[in-house]
Amino acid sequence: GIQVEQSPPDLILQEGANSTLRCNFSDSVNNLQWFHQNPWGQLINLFYIPSGTKQNGRLSATTVATERYSLLYISSSQTTDSGVYFCAVDQTGANNLFFGTGTRLTVIP
Amino acid sequence: NAGVTQTPKFRVLKTGQSMTLLCAQDMNHEYMYWYRQDPGMGLRLIHYSVGEGTTAKGEVPDGYNVSRLKKQNFLLGLESAAPSQTSVYFCATAGSGANVLTFGAGSRLTVL
Repeated sequence: GIQVEQSPPDLILQEGANSTLRCNFSDSVNNLQWFHQNPWGQLINLFYIPSGTKQNGRLSATTVATERYSLLYISSSQTTDSGVYFCAVDQTGANNLFFGTGTRLTVIP
Repeated sequence: NAGVTQTPKFRVLKTGQSMTLLCAQDMNHEYMYWYRQDPGMGLRLIHYSVGEGTTAKGEVPDGYNVSRLKKQNFLLGLESAAPSQTSVYFCATAGSGANVLTFGAGSRLTVL
């Protein structure tokens, strides 16, 4: 099956710093989404981005489908950005997302 | 507008007992999914449904059954619980064209 690798596995930032999270996938996909899981376990969709670039406030994402990677940028990080960021991809067209193991982000004041 | 509601939120079972997790959605979404999340891992797809009356296997379906008798509900059953099924279970939904998943709050199951 498809492999999804996220890096780094852990990241500690000072509040206000910027960061880049990476997601590599082993095969072509027709769906890629980024999620944030907060410290209480709630999963929130950040981006649906099978290709191209999107921005939402301090967050932006870029997917280069031909090179099989996606990047999530977090600017001016805040303590509320802490949690685990997951990349998930689908090849089936039925939205059967396959998740990476995540990047755990800790933002310290 | 509750979105995606999972019940129960917590449950403790003994090995061999059975139980059902209920996922209810009020967004009129076609697609519904059950995932499990184990410590330090991403989510793994158990079963999914592309519409009322349909179900299909995901990545880790063994030991689980599902039913989608009504569009708004997706049930996950464990017929004979095993300690390996201790996990946090998440339900998710998606509209037919949106492709964006909306998750429930999760159900923590412990099998002793």
